[in-house]
Amino acid sequence: AQTVTQSQPEMSVQEAETVTLSCTYDTSESDYYLFWYKQPPSRQMILVIRQEAYKQQNATENRFSVNFQKAAKSFSLKISDSQLGDAAMYFCAYTHGSGNTGKLIFGQGTTLQVKP
Amino acid sequence: SAVISQKPSRDICQRGTSLTIQCQVDSQVTMMFWYRQQPGQSLTLIATANQGSEATYESGFVIDKFPISRPNLTFSTLTVSNMSPEDSSIYLCSVDEAGFVTEAFFGQGTRLTVV
Repeated sequence: AQTVTQSQPEMSVQEAETVTLSCTYDTSESDYYLFWYKQPPSRQMILVIRQEAYKQQNATENRFSVNFQKAAKSFSLKISDSQLGDAAMYFCAYTHGSGNTGKLIFGQGTTLQVKP
Repeated sequence: SAVISQKPSRDICQRGTSLTIQCQVDSQVTMMFWYRQQPGQSLTLIATANQGSEATYESGFVIDKFPISRPNLTFSTLTVSNMSPEDSSIYLCSVDEAGFVTEAFFGQGTRLTVV
């Protein structure tokens, strides 16, 4: 069975600094997708970034980028120039390929605090 | 991108009663998903709802406790039956939008408190 592990329950970063959130996963599949979702206090799950396993290039979305290490099954999220609005719980998530992206397996989550 | 409306946004219920949560999508989708997020915890998939067939439940979740309806391609309901305080959670509806853009979209969630 696939699993997703986030070993950092809480992280803290100074505004304008950079922080990296860790995620490891386990799967025997070769075709899969990895995601980082953000959940602010409003409860709304917001997609931050997505990585296709077949792509070697790390995904980037503005201030957010990932370090995807397929052999190590590692998928970390780097947030640059952190902003107060980045404070939220961040979830790493996995889904297998074939377009079934709604059936997600989530990590335990990391609560990110941004200090002014 | 799909827009999902979930109702109610929150509710406080007496133990032993049932609550039905509604999920409405602004476009037709093949599959809809229901997740549970217990306090301070991660999201766990309860079931997958396909239109025209019975929902598929994940291990640890049963239809008698969490009956699901999927009458059409834009709507689904999840009922939490015979509630106990352990059912106090956030329940989220999700849909996937496969194709060139692969992403799962979520409703804003229903915060359920059972007293």
